[in-house]
Amino acid sequence: DAKTTQPTSMDCAEGRAANLPCNHSTISGNEYVYWYRQIHSQGPQYIIHGLKNNETNEMASLIITEDRKSSTLILPHATLRDTAVYYCIVRVRRDDKIIFGKGTRLHILP
Amino acid sequence: DTAVSQTPKYLVTQMGNDKSIKCEQNLGHDTMYWYKQDSKKFLKIMFSYNNKELIINETVPNRFSPKSPDKAHLNLHINSLELGDSAVYFCASSQDLGAGVYNEQFFGPGTRLTVL
Repeated sequence: DAKTTQPTSMDCAEGRAANLPCNHSTISGNEYVYWYRQIHSQGPQYIIHGLKNNETNEMASLIITEDRKSSTLILPHATLRDTAVYYCIVRVRRDDKIIFGKGTRLHILP
Repeated sequence: DTAVSQTPKYLVTQMGNDKSIKCEQNLGHDTMYWYKQDSKKFLKIMFSYNNKELIINETVPNRFSPKSPDKAHLNLHINSLELGDSAVYFCASSQDLGAGVYNEQFFGPGTRLTVL
């Protein structure tokens, strides 16, 4: 079973920052937080991951709370192409399985 | 382009037939996976192979047999297809960074299998 809880769906206006929350209250010390997304009819796409520090790459930023029980994925300037299902996954890097939950369906509104 | 590719993209077949889905990655990764995404959109891992050796088999019926001729290919053969096998099948690959540490997974575009 997935170890994370995410809202079922969210809306965001185009050009605004999209903030996707994820709860992972049972996360253990060696587990990373990963984010993937799946655009309609495509394979999942890796976005970002982190352990305890905030992370940023060309796609997004990941903010992890100090107690590591929750995190937020930030897409700084959402575009229509960011419409997708976003999956927050908790995973030990040594464990090569990815257990996908239901994810958050993000709608970017023009 | 460097990527994970799958063929065919669509596969429609009758119950009881045997079919194969092919997967190739040119990323130089040594670990490959098959996932199944059912009609409810749940994505579940089926198999993973590391350097042509099976390392995960997630209670998949033995009608499903993965075959890895080399570390760039992981094909999925399905015998005696059933209605419940209808789904989208995704191949993925990742790099073993050593000591059991794996990098992020790269997914193929998927194969939509419809069993009639």
